[in-house]
Amino acid sequence: QSALTQPPSVSGSPGQSVTISCTGTSSDVGSYNRVSWYQQPPGTAPKLMIYEVTNRPSGVPDRFSGSKSGNTASLTISGLQAEDEADYYCSSYTSTSTLVFGGGTKLTVL
Amino acid sequence: QVQLVESGGGVVQPGRSLRLSCAASGFTFSSYGMHWVRQAPGKGLEWVAVIWYDGSDKYYADSVKGRFTISRDNSKNTLYLQMNSLRAEDTAVYYCASWRCTNGVCYLDYWGQGTRVTVSS
Repeated sequence: QSALTQPPSVSGSPGQSVTISCTGTSSDVGSYNRVSWYQQPPGTAPKLMIYEVTNRPSGVPDRFSGSKSGNTASLTISGLQAEDEADYYCSSYTSTSTLVFGGGTKLTVL
Repeated sequence: QVQLVESGGGVVQPGRSLRLSCAASGFTFSSYGMHWVRQAPGKGLEWVAVIWYDGSDKYYADSVKGRFTISRDNSKNTLYLQMNSLRAEDTAVYYCASWRCTNGVCYLDYWGQGTRVTVSS
């Protein structure tokens, strides 16, 4: 049950785009589309931003998009806004019917 | 609206036990699988355990297997986490989250605000 691999930090200026990667294995990300992304501002609970690799729940801006290739999933945030500054986590279903999270990525809006 | 409210956290000595609860409302609790996820101070999210909608199956992270037990009472719309033999490394905020599954598409859609557990002598 090793954590998925995310970059510790990314940054971008308002209006720019950033992409956060999430690398797993053939036992999780590579085999299932049950990949989700969560946003967590400091001191708050995680909030679902993307599910099933590419789907956005209602209320999530279309600036947020997801994709997957092989064992790596990605979250892209376009048109960065100050309110996007938060920690982001990916998660994946696994072959042992468990979930695994990424280590988290801190997004800084410059 | 959907609400998940955790309770039962606190300060406990190493080796002792604690039971967390998660009261659910605003959705058909008995139709959803439920998870516990924890977050140690300054660290990332760590998945802890899952229980099927009817309690028929349960899975645990290796770090808690044999010490923690997840359970639910659908008549009370409540999820539980019995934590035994607690260790300092179990110190974390514990979140419950609902596992929505529709036509094979599954994800954690709602999260509670968390309850803090501190294991310290």
